[in-house]
Amino acid sequence: ELKVEQNPLFLSMQEGKNYTIYCNYSTTSDRLYWYRQDPGKSLESLFVLLSNGAVKQEGRLMASLDTKARLSTLHITAAVHDLSATYFCAVDIPGTYKYIFGTGTRLKVLA
Amino acid sequence: SAVISQKPSRDICQRGTSLTIQCQVDSQVTMMFWYRQQPGQSLTLIATANQGSEATYESGFVIDKFPISRPNLTFSTLTVSNMSPEDSSIYLCSVEEGTALYYNEQFFGPGTRLTVL
Repeated sequence: ELKVEQNPLFLSMQEGKNYTIYCNYSTTSDRLYWYRQDPGKSLESLFVLLSNGAVKQEGRLMASLDTKARLSTLHITAAVHDLSATYFCAVDIPGTYKYIFGTGTRLKVLA
Repeated sequence: SAVISQKPSRDICQRGTSLTIQCQVDSQVTMMFWYRQQPGQSLTLIATANQGSEATYESGFVIDKFPISRPNLTFSTLTVSNMSPEDSSIYLCSVEEGTALYYNEQFFGPGTRLTVL
């Protein structure tokens, strides 16, 4: 069975602190996507990681991909309240156009 | 990226009734997808809708319960039939776009929040 697991599921952190969200997947996939979802809103694309060793950064967020370990990380640097949201990773199933979404990580940054 | 709209944005329905959700895109796209997001949960793919062919349903989802239309390259509908409280979810459509020469990416509509009483 194809699985995408994230941890932690819930994360409460203080402003200014650093933390990492982990995304493990069981299928062979070279593409991994990170999305952000604010409460009551749709999904916003954050990063697309296309190959082993890929690293992308936008503001206080940095995402990386290790396809051999089937692991992606989303690192948060010096968190601010505006980063509070639920973060999903997703992988595409090779040979199809379908995505499998991770369980999601609900992040709350405390002022 | 494509601009995607959904109607209605939310609805409260009685059990046993049906609701049709519309998804409109401002450009022509080949692949459209319908997802369900139950409260506090992740996204689950319901079906893939290509223009000119029958929708392809994922395990656990059937056409009688979730009929889908795809009459052209910019529009699709999802009907939730004979609703029960367990159908209360956010329903999202997405489209796949080529953002570069060598990969595509899915972009999501704003979602339809359905509550079944």
